[in-house]
Amino acid sequence: DQQVKQNSPSLSVQEGRISILNCDYTNSMFDYFLWYKKYPAEGPTFLISISSIKDKNEDGRFTVFLNKSAKHLSLHIVPSQPGDSAVYFCAASTFGGATNKLIFGTGTLLAVQP
Amino acid sequence: DGGITQSPKYLFRKEGQNVTLSCEQNLNHDAMYWYRQDPGQGLRLIYYSQIVNDFQKGDIAEGYSVSREKKESFPLTVTSAQKNPTAFYLCASSKSGGPNQPQHFGDGTRLSIL
Repeated sequence: DQQVKQNSPSLSVQEGRISILNCDYTNSMFDYFLWYKKYPAEGPTFLISISSIKDKNEDGRFTVFLNKSAKHLSLHIVPSQPGDSAVYFCAASTFGGATNKLIFGTGTLLAVQP
Repeated sequence: DGGITQSPKYLFRKEGQNVTLSCEQNLNHDAMYWYRQDPGQGLRLIYYSQIVNDFQKGDIAEGYSVSREKKESFPLTVTSAQKNPTAFYLCASSKSGGPNQPQHFGDGTRLSIL
């Protein structure tokens, strides 16, 4: 049972345009959400997070939106750059078990075309 | 520079052999984690430790063992009981095991069977 889903395995965007990566979750107990970026043969790099008490968080070119009623979050990258080409993972956690246990989606490969 | 160091980058295991993957962090983080990534899948939690001398099983702990004798170190042993050990292994740490704490990752160890 996959609690965090990234239904688009890949996305291609032109340089300078907006990239929108989507993530859905099923567990309403999740209260903290994160996005990670991963290059091949490297570990994931933390990008941005959002707590369930907010619906938007912005950091430079990256904005994460959270729609709790739809159990959906998205990452917007504006403007997209070729260096943004990587696999993006969303992750979610709940403090219900008293641990910072993250549940990851399967990732979306973003290709930004020059 | 503070960070997480995993070694070796590539590791080969013979049938019936135990191997140990190293993970060291100098971020002064209390919590550490081990994940496994298989092709086309998200990261799955093997073991985690919220504090020195304490660790808990994650979702796929069978065939693995860990120790946490020092704050900086969280080695993972892949035992011969792990029947499908070929994967990319990632170590992570967070400031604490509490809520709303992003996890930061090392660059991984790729384990293959000879």
